[in-house]
Amino acid sequence: NAGVTQTPKFQVLKTGQSMTLQCAQDMNHNSMYWYRQDPGMGLRLIYYSASEGTTDKGEVPNGYNVSRLNKREFSLRLESAAPSQTSVYFCASSAGLADPNGYFGPGTRLTVT
Amino acid sequence: EDQVTQSPEALRLQEGESSSLNCSYTVSGLRGLFWYRQDPGKGPEFLFTLYSAGEEKEKERLKATLTKKESFLHITAPKPEDSATYLCAVQASNFNKFYFGSGTKLNVKP
Repeated sequence: NAGVTQTPKFQVLKTGQSMTLQCAQDMNHNSMYWYRQDPGMGLRLIYYSASEGTTDKGEVPNGYNVSRLNKREFSLRLESAAPSQTSVYFCASSAGLADPNGYFGPGTRLTVT
Repeated sequence: EDQVTQSPEALRLQEGESSSLNCSYTVSGLRGLFWYRQDPGKGPEFLFTLYSAGEEKEKERLKATLTKKESFLHITAPKPEDSATYLCAVQASNFNKFYFGSGTKLNVKP
């Protein structure tokens, strides 16, 4: 089992460019999450998907969109990147919302110039 | 306002020197408190879940405890391989609010 995989590992964008971060899990989990991690601020929830076909906003959703493509995949899209979106992005999954975020991916380090 | 505060921000210990990390929280209805370990350049790794005051969980040299206002992660006789950032998170009772603290960076010297 690969667990949670994320692509790409690193990305540099110019302000205004768009991109999609991909996440996939092979544990048959129902719930998936996107976080960003900034120095001194901890992980902040961007969006989550309680189950296939549903998505909801987390703490910091502005400037992002998500798609739960199927049970395995949950993508995060930046439509018009801004320097404030420079961060490390983590995807996570769990059996359900009632379960802890047990599994995190390795992260995507994004720099917006 | 819901929030999670971890202290200290950084902690340096000698191998074998036991200590505790603190996680204090305010949340509207605590459903669960979680501890994670994060190594540099990697995603967090789940350690423990605590659900109610008085609950304790242990794993090797780590022991997590919970009160109504805070949680402690006790590290007994740490080894250099315990060096990492330890994150605390709380989940509110309505499930869709999940807050992380900013972490304690632990460095254990041989």
